[in-house]
Amino acid sequence: GAVVSQHPSRVICKSGTSVKIECRSLDFQATTMFWYRQFPKQSLMLMATSNEGSKATYEQGVEKDKFLINHASLTLSTLTVTSAHPEDSSFYICSASDRDGQPQHFGDGTRLSIL
Amino acid sequence: AQTVTQSQPEMSVQEAETVTLSCTYDTSESNYYLFWYKQPPSRQMILVIRQEAYKQQNATENRFSVNFQKAAKSFSLKISDSQLGDTAMYFCAFMKQGAQKLVFGQGTRLTINP
Repeated sequence: GAVVSQHPSRVICKSGTSVKIECRSLDFQATTMFWYRQFPKQSLMLMATSNEGSKATYEQGVEKDKFLINHASLTLSTLTVTSAHPEDSSFYICSASDRDGQPQHFGDGTRLSIL
Repeated sequence: AQTVTQSQPEMSVQEAETVTLSCTYDTSESNYYLFWYKQPPSRQMILVIRQEAYKQQNATENRFSVNFQKAAKSFSLKISDSQLGDTAMYFCAFMKQGAQKLVFGQGTRLTINP
């Protein structure tokens, strides 16, 4: 089945650091990938839609300068949390599907902790 | 805009029992897809079942089945012979036809007790 790999799984860093999270589709091409944020005991909140070769589409209220998304190839999207602060601590998950109407396949998530 | 509502924040049943999780949605679309995802304590998102709105037959996947009522905009998940490994958060999700974006419900935390 389709596999999405997300790295790193855990990041602990100091306030002010920028952190990059990678999301790769291992056995299919993904023109579109999605980035979610999940607070404890809550649902997934869509942050942005990552489109290969073009700018990402951000959801309302998500700071595009804080959360930089790059989708340089059909198998790789990256999320960079710039100048991270403690309030950016959260669980971030990416997903991708190979065509419309098909289930999204999720990465295992990244737990980000900013000290 | 589409919305998905899961009205049961938490549920708890004994092992081997049957449990039903409810989900309702609101949309003006006529063609769409519905999903149930499971998120165990490991936090990995796992697809449980998928339903196409144009199909009247309810989807089944081993011990998991749905009751899809299109007119009522209801999409409940039934888990038969529940097992300890079914303990997880369950999310109902909507995807309109021609799109890949998912709209999630709030989730139901299901605990299976030994």
